[in-house]
Amino acid sequence: DQQVKQNSPSLSVQEGRISILNCDYTNSMFDYFLWYKKYPAEGPTFLISISSIKDKNEDGRFTVFLNKSAKHLSLHIVPSQPGDSAVYFCAASKGGADGLTFGKGTHLIIQP
Amino acid sequence: NAGVMQNPRHLVRRRGQEARLRCSPMKGHSHVYWYRQLPEEGLKFMVYLQKENIIDESGMPKERFSAEFPKEGPSILRIQQVVRGDSAAYFCASSRGVSSYEQYFGPGTRLTVT
Repeated sequence: DQQVKQNSPSLSVQEGRISILNCDYTNSMFDYFLWYKKYPAEGPTFLISISSIKDKNEDGRFTVFLNKSAKHLSLHIVPSQPGDSAVYFCAASKGGADGLTFGKGTHLIIQP
Repeated sequence: NAGVMQNPRHLVRRRGQEARLRCSPMKGHSHVYWYRQLPEEGLKFMVYLQKENIIDESGMPKERFSAEFPKEGPSILRIQQVVRGDSAAYFCASSRGVSSYEQYFGPGTRLTVT
């Protein structure tokens, strides 16, 4: 039962263009969403998050959009840079200090 | 290094042996989480602990796995009588507390069972 889904295992984007990574969830109890970036043989690094009471959060080149009615969120990276090549995980929390529920990840490849 | 620390980074065990994974949270963080990542999968929550207390172990296998976070020292994830299916990357994360959703991860321990 996959409560957080990332349906694109990989995504290839040209350097300088916009990267859009998508995430869908099924559990209405989730009220906080996070994006993590992971390089091989390293732990996930926190990127950006959004509360369910908001529909957008921006931090530098990264913006997360939340469509609560569609149970969908997306991460936009603009402009994309070579160092952005990594696996990106979407994660969700039911609140407080609960364990996170992760998607399977999307491997983003930035091409020169 | 003020980040989450895990050791060892790599651990090889034969079937039937015990594996002990250690995690020291970030300074100022009192909440510790353990996750497991199987190949080509996302991270799966295992257990959430505070000092001397297990808060949520709903993701822990019922047998052979245990976790603790003593008053002094690191959190320990213990796997008894390891089997090949236990081979995975085990990540520890920490957070400040109840009102903080962001969790910060360590580099992981890669367990290989031969």
